[in-house]
Amino acid sequence: SQQGEEDPQALSIQEGENATMNCSYKTSINNLQWYRQNSGRGLVHLILIRSNEREKHSGRLRVTLDTSKKSSSLLITASRAADTASYFCATDAETSGSRLTFGEGTQLTVNP
Amino acid sequence: KAGVTQTPRYLIKTRGQQVTLSCSPISGHRSVSWYQQTPGQGLQFLFEYFSETQRNKGNFPGRFSGRQFSNSRSEMNVSTLELGDSALYLCASSSNVGGSSYNEQFFGPGTRLTVL
Repeated sequence: SQQGEEDPQALSIQEGENATMNCSYKTSINNLQWYRQNSGRGLVHLILIRSNEREKHSGRLRVTLDTSKKSSSLLITASRAADTASYFCATDAETSGSRLTFGEGTQLTVNP
Repeated sequence: KAGVTQTPRYLIKTRGQQVTLSCSPISGHRSVSWYQQTPGQGLQFLFEYFSETQRNKGNFPGRFSGRQFSNSRSEMNVSTLELGDSALYLCASSSNVGGSSYNEQFFGPGTRLTVL
């Protein structure tokens, strides 16, 4: 079963605009990771944020984590048509090893 | 470093057959995990291997099995295939260095299995 829910399920914006996607989860976690997937291909790792971190940046990506609300957000600034993809959050709560629990994903469409 | 590789990329089987999928992790990574992705169920964890031992297991029937070799390469096997096993099977590797909070999982391109 999916641990998380992502909001919105679909998002359509114009190039140059910012895109914000939200993720909620249910249990305590060690880390939360965001991935991008293009048309049913493999998952591309975007960023990992640990449970004791509140914000992280990578290029045009900004991720926040609020463990009290069990939620995270991914902000993509100055979006490009190439950012069109599905975005997934995944949480890892394992103390030994790894087991990612994925949200349902947000389908982002960036129109040129 | 080369990324995670999976073979084959596409596979068509018929009900009742069995299939073996292969995954080569990023060099130096000792943890390999497998996931199934379907339109209905999304991405679901199958199992994780570390140092040739299964460390975590998801809620899949016993028809789904895996193993890991001493060079960290992993295989998963599905026996007595069912139509519902049609899916994208993704493999991920992790260095598992620094504890569970640092376990970045890097995924391969997947194997698309179609069961007819």
